[in-house]
Amino acid sequence: DAKTTQPPSMDCAEGRAANLPCNHSTISGNEYVYWYRQIHSQGPQYIIHGLKNNETNEMASLIITEDRKSSTLILPHATLRDTAVYYCIVRGYSGAGSYQLTFGKGTKLSVIP
Amino acid sequence: ETGVTQTPRHLVMGMTNKKSLKCEQHLGHNAMYWYKQSAKKPLELMFVYNFKEQTENNSVPSRFSPECPNSSHLFLHLHTLQPEDSALYLCASSQDRDNNEQFFGPGTRLTVL
Repeated sequence: DAKTTQPPSMDCAEGRAANLPCNHSTISGNEYVYWYRQIHSQGPQYIIHGLKNNETNEMASLIITEDRKSSTLILPHATLRDTAVYYCIVRGYSGAGSYQLTFGKGTKLSVIP
Repeated sequence: ETGVTQTPRHLVMGMTNKKSLKCEQHLGHNAMYWYKQSAKKPLELMFVYNFKEQTENNSVPSRFSPECPNSSHLFLHLHTLQPEDSALYLCASSQDRDNNEQFFGPGTRLTVL
């Protein structure tokens, strides 16, 4: 799997956009970028994923650079409920015809009132 | 609610006990997963089941024994665990093993005395 690098923590003011960066410089052409988050004492929650193009859904936007070596998850209007650990994952082939997720340490986002 | 439930939510057991964790998904998915989340360590994939067949075992010790009687239910049988096995055990499901939009349950917090 391509490895990812994320800052360990970030703060964001409530109501402002939260921009969470992720570096994945060794990503290969067929590897997707996935984002999950984990709110304290809960299981992880899928947010969004993409391959090359920018993606948007009701939760967030994913911006992937043209060379695909980095991406940014954007929460357009952060709320206190967005305080969580955010995981950037490059989905890789794990053998036996299967693609699985390898979670790292993520970024602890704190939304400040 | 994610559509994935886990019972019990908390479990304390001695090293000689036998216990089982249960996971049920109401999403019509065909793949189910067990993950382990220890304190200060990233989420680790333990087992993958696809259409009731185990497709991955990530070098998990035999004191952890999974069972998948149908696509909606997944069990993790525990026997002669060690204190270092204390962790949050998370179940997840997805449409199939290659669909990495996974839905997680709330987890079982296990303490081994």
